Amino acid sequence: SYVLTQPPSVSVAPGQTARITCGGDDIGSYSVHWYQQKSGQAPVLVVYDDTKRPSGIPERFSGSNSGNTASLTISRVEAGDEADFYCQVWDSVSDDFVFGPGTLVTVL
Amino acid sequence: QVQLEQSGGEVKKSGASVKVSCQASGYTFDDYAIAWVRQAPGQGLEYMGWISIYNGNTKYVQKFQGRVTMTTDTSTDTAYMELRSLRSDDTAIYFCARGRSSTAGFDYWGLGTLVTVSS
Repeated sequence: SYVLTQPPSVSVAPGQTARITCGGDDIGSYSVHWYQQKSGQAPVLVVYDDTKRPSGIPERFSGSNSGNTASLTISRVEAGDEADFYCQVWDSVSDDFVFGPGTLVTVL
Repeated sequence: QVQLEQSGGEVKKSGASVKVSCQASGYTFDDYAIAWVRQAPGQGLEYMGWISIYNGNTKYVQKFQGRVTMTTDTSTDTAYMELRSLRSDDTAIYFCARGRSSTAGFDYWGLGTLVTVSS
């Protein structure tokens, strides 16, 4: 099945920019979704179809996807952004959704 | 507002079965699918499969084939996930989530149901 890779952790100071990557073979040809999961809570969709934001998600969250890497960028990071972030794609070969292993974003 | 209300936590013995429910409200149930995702303690998200409410079609991840059954009751807008032959490594929080297509992601999630399997 399709394999996604993510760095285990990213640290960022408040007010700075965090970039979380999601690697996969030719991931640029897939539609990538991103979820934020705060401790003890259910995941929340923050970006879908590479770059789109659901209603209610701040513009500080943005996505991009090209080649073998998709990215989620969080601008002007706040303490409340600290969470695990997961990327997801639909694998047409297995006809299943696949999640990345997750990245813990720590706000210093 | 869209809500997915899940059933309460369960404690099961190895070899038993568990059935988790997910009652939807705030939208037209038939227009979406329901996906099931689990998360073992301290681990990441694991997709299990989904069911189309419109036609009842299901697609299970191969790992769970033969052990999982996803169903719906459109009279109560409720989806169910039954997992059989439970093992200790099935201990996890089980989430239901609303989905529509491969390009839409899962836009609403239930709060999760903790299933604990003990020997």
